[in-house]
Amino acid sequence: EAGVAQSPRYKIIEKRQSVAFWCNPISGHATLYWYQQILGQGPKLLIQFQNNGVVDDSQLPKDRFSAERLKGVDSTLKIQPAKLEDSAVYLCASSSIRVAGANVLTFGAGSRLTVL
Amino acid sequence: ELKVEQNPLFLSMQEGKNYTIYCNYSTTSDRLYWYRQDPGKSLESLFVLLSNGAVKQEGRLMASLDTKARLSTLHITAAVHDLSATYFCARGGTGNQFYFGTGTSLTVIP
Repeated sequence: EAGVAQSPRYKIIEKRQSVAFWCNPISGHATLYWYQQILGQGPKLLIQFQNNGVVDDSQLPKDRFSAERLKGVDSTLKIQPAKLEDSAVYLCASSSIRVAGANVLTFGAGSRLTVL
Repeated sequence: ELKVEQNPLFLSMQEGKNYTIYCNYSTTSDRLYWYRQDPGKSLESLFVLLSNGAVKQEGRLMASLDTKARLSTLHITAAVHDLSATYFCARGGTGNQFYFGTGTSLTVIP
C-alpha cells in the first residue's frame, strides 16, 4: 500500500510569515494526526481527526495554527504568523485498526520547518 | 497531567552487550507502543503491547508491558551497530491518541 504522503519536505521562512503543510493519508485510514517534533524531543500531538471531525486539538496553539481535513481524506496544517519556536518537523500520521482492535500509526516522512 | 518518561535519554553501549530501556507513564493504559527513528527519518512501528504482561520479540529486541506498574521495557540483546537509533515509547489514549515519550538515543559502539 502507498504510504502517508507529505509536502513540502523542507521549508524555510522568516518569522511572521505563513506556511502550509499538506498530508495525504493511507487510503481508507479514517484517523489522521499532526505531530510537532522539535529537535531532540518526542513527537507532540497537535491535532487528531476522525474522518473530517476533530477528536483532539487541545495542544494546538489556535492563535496561530489551524488545520482542516475536508472530505475526510487529505489535510492541511497552517501556521500564521510563524515564530522562531515553531522550527520543527511536522509529522503527519494515519491509522487503522490492525492489531486486535488497536490502532497502529503510520507516519509520513515529515515536513521540516525552519523559521529565521 | 499525562507524562510519558523514558530512561535513559542517551545510551552508548558496546556491541554484544545487553541493555534495557524503560518507559514509565503517569496514568493507566493497557496499550503501549514502541517506535524507532533513524536520524533524519520518520518513525517506524516496532511493537504493539495490548495487555498486562504482554511480551513481544523481534530479533534482538524484546518489549514487555506491566500495566499495574505503568511500565514498559525494551530489552536489547547482544547489540549490533544496526540498532543505533532513537527509540520512542507511546502510551495509547482512550480516543486512539498516542502520547510519545522523550525518546532514548541509542548508539552501539564496535
